Amino acid sequence: KQEVTQIPAALSVPEGENLVLNCSFTDSAIYNLQWFRQDPGKGLTSLLLIQSSQREQTSGRLNASLDKSSGRSTLYIAASQPGDSATYLCAVGRNNRLAFGKGNQVVVIP
Amino acid sequence: NAGVTQTPKFQVLKTGQSMTLQCAQDMNHNSMYWYRQDPGMGLRLIYYSASEGTTDKGEVPNGYNVSRLNKREFSLRLESAAPSQTSVYFCASSEGPLNSGNTIYFGEGSWLTVV
Repeated sequence: KQEVTQIPAALSVPEGENLVLNCSFTDSAIYNLQWFRQDPGKGLTSLLLIQSSQREQTSGRLNASLDKSSGRSTLYIAASQPGDSATYLCAVGRNNRLAFGKGNQVVVIP
Repeated sequence: NAGVTQTPKFQVLKTGQSMTLQCAQDMNHNSMYWYRQDPGMGLRLIYYSASEGTTDKGEVPNGYNVSRLNKREFSLRLESAAPSQTSVYFCASSEGPLNSGNTIYFGEGSWLTVV
């Protein structure tokens, strides 16, 4: 069974600092990996999707890398802003299903 | 642009009661999903429908039934609610298979409490 772990569970950073969020998974036979954002009381919004053949994806201030062989992905958020405060979830895709981590709860302090 | 719409947003049930969570998407997506989110457990797949007329069990299907009424709508039914089914339920949809890199879109969630 695929296990997805996100460390740390929660973190606070001052505004302007770069955020680094880590995701690890136990089974490297995946089709893709996605990063999501969840605001309190809301659903999930897809941020970045990396196919298994790719090493990274970028969107604006967000960059996600994937090392499938070692079972790791990292989400970088450059120059964090208070509006980046949210929970970030990683999910790995296989057999048309997603296995989710429990999330990184992020607070950006103004 | 509504996306994925779930009703109701909040519901309190007594143990043994039944109810149906409704979900509709307006993006002409083929695949639809029901997840539950519990503290400390993350999101877990209950059922999914790869296309109209098909449904498959996910990770935690016991105690639930689903109906893919048409391409737009995918409902989740609790026949005899139990306190262990207290959770936040999310409906989601994607244009096609997740293996192909299709983006998945989530509704805003339904908070269900069983007392």
